[in-house]
Amino acid sequence: GAGVSQSPSNKVTEKGKDVELRCDPISGHTALYWYRQRLGQGLEFLIYFQGNSAPDKSGLPSDRFSAERTGESVSTLTIQRTQQEDSAVYLCASSLVMPTQYFGPGTRLTVL
Amino acid sequence: SQELEQSPQSLIVQEGKNLTINCTSSKTLYGLYWYKQKYGEGLIFLMMLQKGGEEKSHEKITAKLDEKKQQSSLHITASQPSHAGIYLCGADGGNRLAFGKGNQVVVIP
Repeated sequence: GAGVSQSPSNKVTEKGKDVELRCDPISGHTALYWYRQRLGQGLEFLIYFQGNSAPDKSGLPSDRFSAERTGESVSTLTIQRTQQEDSAVYLCASSLVMPTQYFGPGTRLTVL
Repeated sequence: SQELEQSPQSLIVQEGKNLTINCTSSKTLYGLYWYKQKYGEGLIFLMMLQKGGEEKSHEKITAKLDEKKQQSSLHITASQPSHAGIYLCGADGGNRLAFGKGNQVVVIP
């Protein structure tokens, strides 16, 4: 069956611009997670959705970061006024039975 | 917060050789996950260990969980170029998985 998909696969943007990253989870998976992976670092938790609500936003690094999820399906991670330190691979994962998570291929974000 | 330390950070082995990588937790492990990541790709779920002493195998990869040592080891037998990549361990951190920084494995043909 279809796995987790993310788009775009690569995004290059200028400092100060806003970006939107999309995640399509595995159908039927109620939990959805966003992580960030900086070069040479492990995965950094950003936010967790259960259904359409986000009970844990503790990993969002600043108020420039926000995420939403609609219809217990697609999620969008938005980064406003991007900074160079936002450059990273952004990974999305979904889960039916926590905490086993299945990951998408990621979006590589480069902020110039 | 739980911290996972993975060792060695990187490892180069010749094709056909065995290798072992480790993941050590700063806290009690209630569940340990192994993922593999290739450059530019997402994480591929390998296996999950839940109980102390548990051992699981998938093809030529075997992982064990030592609850007392708060450690998991992953062993690859007769490594192949397809085994190259970054191996990440993750532990149940409530509403998320806490990950180590990974073990980079390079297999030389």
